[in-house]
Amino acid sequence: GQSLEQPSEVTAVEGAIVQINCTYQTSGFYGLSWYQQHDGGAPTFLSYNALDGLEETGRFSSFLSRSDSYGYLLLQELQMKDSASYFCAVRSSFSGTYKYIFGTGTRLKVLA
Amino acid sequence: EPEVTQTPSHQVTQMGQEVILRCVPISNHLYFYWYRQILGQKVEFLVSFYNNEISEKSEIFDDQFSVERPDGSNFTLKIRSTKLEDSAMYFCASSYPYEQYFGPGTRLTVT
Repeated sequence: GQSLEQPSEVTAVEGAIVQINCTYQTSGFYGLSWYQQHDGGAPTFLSYNALDGLEETGRFSSFLSRSDSYGYLLLQELQMKDSASYFCAVRSSFSGTYKYIFGTGTRLKVLA
Repeated sequence: EPEVTQTPSHQVTQMGQEVILRCVPISNHLYFYWYRQILGQKVEFLVSFYNNEISEKSEIFDDQFSVERPDGSNFTLKIRSTKLEDSAMYFCASSYPYEQYFGPGTRLTVT
C-alpha cells in the first residue's frame, strides 16, 4: 500500500525556523508536493520536488531524498499567518496517469 | 489570477438522495481531480480525470460515485444514494502538470 507519515503537531515562535518531515512508502513515486491549509480553507500549493535536493521559494524550502523516501518542508522567519496545517503529498504515476496521496498533515502553531 | 470555482458552497441532503457537485477548473489545465476531507482529517484522493476519462481512482470511489465533464468547462462529481458517512468537504482541483490548484470546496452534509 501507500502511506505517508508526518508529525501531527509542531509549535514554534515568531521569527524561528521550523522543519516538517515527511516519510513515505509508495510505488510509482514521481514527486513530492507540499500544501498549506488554513482552517476552513482549501489546500494551497507550496512546492514540488521531483529530484533529490533542495528547492527554495522565498521563506519556504522543500527537500527530497528519493533513496531515503524522505522529504521536509522548511519554513524560515516564521510569521503568525503561517499557523496552518501542512500536508505532504506523493504524486504517483502508473502508465502515464497520476494520482496524489496526501499525508495526515502537520498542524503548525506559531506563538508570538 | 485564474482560479478553480465550485458550486454550491454548502449542500444539505437527505440520506439516499443523489447530489451533484460542480466545479469549473482553470481553463488551460489538463488534469482534474476530486478529493474529500472529513472534518479534521487528511485530504483523501477520490479520482483523477484526463483526456475526458477517468485515469485513476481510489478505493473510496466506488459505484456510488461518478464524474463527468459535460460541456468542456464544467467538471462534476455525482454521488448516488448518499450515506451519512459521505458528509465531508469535497474539493475539486486542476493542474498543468503537477501544481494543483484547489477550489474552495463544497461542504456536503447528509442528514
